Amino acid sequence: SAVISQKPSRDICQRGTSLTIQCQVDSQVTMMFWYRQQPGQSLTLIATANQGSEATYESGFVIDKFPISRPNLTFSTLTVSNMSPEDSSIYLCSVEGGEARDYLYNEQFFGPGTRLTVL
Amino acid sequence: QKEVEQNSGPLSVPEGAIASLNCTYSDRGSQSFFWYRQYSGKSPELIMSIYSNGDKEDGRFTAQLNKASQYVSLLIRDSQPSDSATYLCAITGQGAQKLVFGQGTRLTINP
Repeated sequence: SAVISQKPSRDICQRGTSLTIQCQVDSQVTMMFWYRQQPGQSLTLIATANQGSEATYESGFVIDKFPISRPNLTFSTLTVSNMSPEDSSIYLCSVEGGEARDYLYNEQFFGPGTRLTVL
Repeated sequence: QKEVEQNSGPLSVPEGAIASLNCTYSDRGSQSFFWYRQYSGKSPELIMSIYSNGDKEDGRFTAQLNKASQYVSLLIRDSQPSDSATYLCAITGQGAQKLVFGQGTRLTINP
């Protein structure tokens, strides 16, 4: 599977500020995904990012709050804008990938995550 | 009804026993089924994928899928303390690539 890194690994931010999270993959991938995991909760998909097109957001998530860039096939950023304490979560990027025979079957692998605390 | 349901646990199993984790889903068109393991403070790690009815074995892990009954399960044989983690069931729907996760089951293996 692809090796995925995220920066920063954690941050503490003030209310009203913005944070940009980077996701880097060691191979070219078509689709990248951004998830949120709130404290004690499971993962929720924020958006899907394809290179060269606008990100597709899930219900409850909007571009103004979570703008995403996908400038090439190995990199993406997620910005959490105008933060409030409710945005305190772990933010994870994932990519599809694996053995060729599995590629059609949507296996996703996750980066290490960014732990965000908003005061 | 939630799309993907798991018993949140905690599930406590003695070392060496079989741990059985279950997951039910609501979308009959679901195509791909996954089990992830998540240690505290870490990101989810894919441990099993299953796409067809029946059993799939990988080492101490066996995934079971029954599309007619809309459930998928994970069996862990010879449970070890290192298996203590939260296990997340995830599913993709028909024609969709996004993963929908269950709430996760916290598993504790007692030495």
